[in-house]
Amino acid sequence: DAEITQSPRHKITETGRQVTLACHQTWNHNNMFWYRQDLGHGLRLIHYSYGVHDTNKGEVSDGYSVSRSNTEDLPLTLESAASSQTSVYFCASSESVVGTDTQYFGPGTRLTVL
Amino acid sequence: QKEVEQDPGPLSVPEGAIVSLNCTYSNSAFQYFMWYRQYSRKGPELLMYTYSSGNKEDGRFTAQVDKSSKYISLFIRDSQPSDSATYLCAMGRAGGTSYGKLTFGQGTILTVHP
Repeated sequence: DAEITQSPRHKITETGRQVTLACHQTWNHNNMFWYRQDLGHGLRLIHYSYGVHDTNKGEVSDGYSVSRSNTEDLPLTLESAASSQTSVYFCASSESVVGTDTQYFGPGTRLTVL
Repeated sequence: QKEVEQDPGPLSVPEGAIVSLNCTYSNSAFQYFMWYRQYSRKGPELLMYTYSSGNKEDGRFTAQVDKSSKYISLFIRDSQPSDSATYLCAMGRAGGTSYGKLTFGQGTILTVHP
């Protein structure tokens, strides 16, 4: 069965370190998204991609970057982790068909920045 | 003002109760409306998808959209303890620069107690 996986599931890091969160999907979807989820804010879009070599900034992109070298993967990098980036991060993917906006989510990565 | 407003609750009801979850939105460009269910420490999963105004029923769940009032609802009949989760509304626009992106409400935490 097709799926979307994230790794690691839990990560503790220190302020200032670079951290990369992995996202891998086997749906063969062109669209991929990264969100963070915080209490009181719901899901907020960090970055998204419509295909290989395409990346776009979301509403909370400062301090984050992504790159898309193939269809299956969209890693999220925190260039210099800050305590404000402690959150739960979700990756999602969807088909590239207008009118089919359903996004399928991964299980999430819980990141703590000390 | 957020584009999508959702009462975060928490909402606690006895088993068998009818539950009503609601979202309001301000942007008339939204054309697709979804409800996601998120169990604790899991990723969101799609529960209901609607396109037009009116009702859509799936088992114990009914999604209602009123575009004229910019209001959507999810009703759960005969609620069960297994329905205890966070429910997120999500909305999408057709094409343009918002292609494929969803805007989420903050999520409502629901607990159904036996």
